[in-house]
Amino acid sequence: EAQVTQNPRYLITVTGKKLTVTCSQNMNHEYMSWYRQDPGLGLRQIYYSMNVEVTDKGDVPEGYKVSRKEKRNFPLILESPSPNQTSLYFCASKQSRAAETQYFGPGTRLLVL
Amino acid sequence: AQSVAQPEDQVNVAEGNPLTVKCTYSVSGNPYLFWYVQYPNRGLQFLLKYITGDNLVKGSYGFEAEFNKSQTSFHLKKPSALVSDSALYFCAVRDIRNTDKLIFGTGTRLQVFP
Repeated sequence: EAQVTQNPRYLITVTGKKLTVTCSQNMNHEYMSWYRQDPGLGLRQIYYSMNVEVTDKGDVPEGYKVSRKEKRNFPLILESPSPNQTSLYFCASKQSRAAETQYFGPGTRLLVL
Repeated sequence: AQSVAQPEDQVNVAEGNPLTVKCTYSVSGNPYLFWYVQYPNRGLQFLLKYITGDNLVKGSYGFEAEFNKSQTSFHLKKPSALVSDSALYFCAVRDIRNTDKLIFGTGTRLQVFP
């Protein structure tokens, strides 16, 4: 089944403790991105990647890092999480930069205490 | 600035009645418009898109949307609502400057009552 998977689905952590949220897609998509969803704000893009080893900042990249060493994986790294990063995170992918439709993972709910 | 507005936080409708979820957009040039649905504890699922062509776009699960250029709207519709349609709906437009990115509205919660 074609899908985007994320792990973990739920995570509670404390301020300053590094964490990684993994994202993987099995559709051989070139383009992947991370969004965060906050009440009243909709989804905002954090980072995106157009292909392996090509990443760029979205609208709200502060406090986040990403890497794209393999085509299928696009982990989101929080080096020193803070409470304002408590949010619902979605990974998404699409076939290419020109493709219109993005496919989203199930989401990761993060609570930073 | 490019933006998408969903003026209603919540829409309530009785099962079997028609439903409309509103969306207006503000972009320069021709918009690429999308609707996504988020069921509880699930990721966003693509419903439909408008790129060009017919103003009435049909999508998944019996949903359709009407593109109206003069009113800069892209309302989501369904002739007969189901309880299982209850979910959070997002309208989005592709960013003209950065076509990799979608600009999302704040979402509208649809509640369909039996």
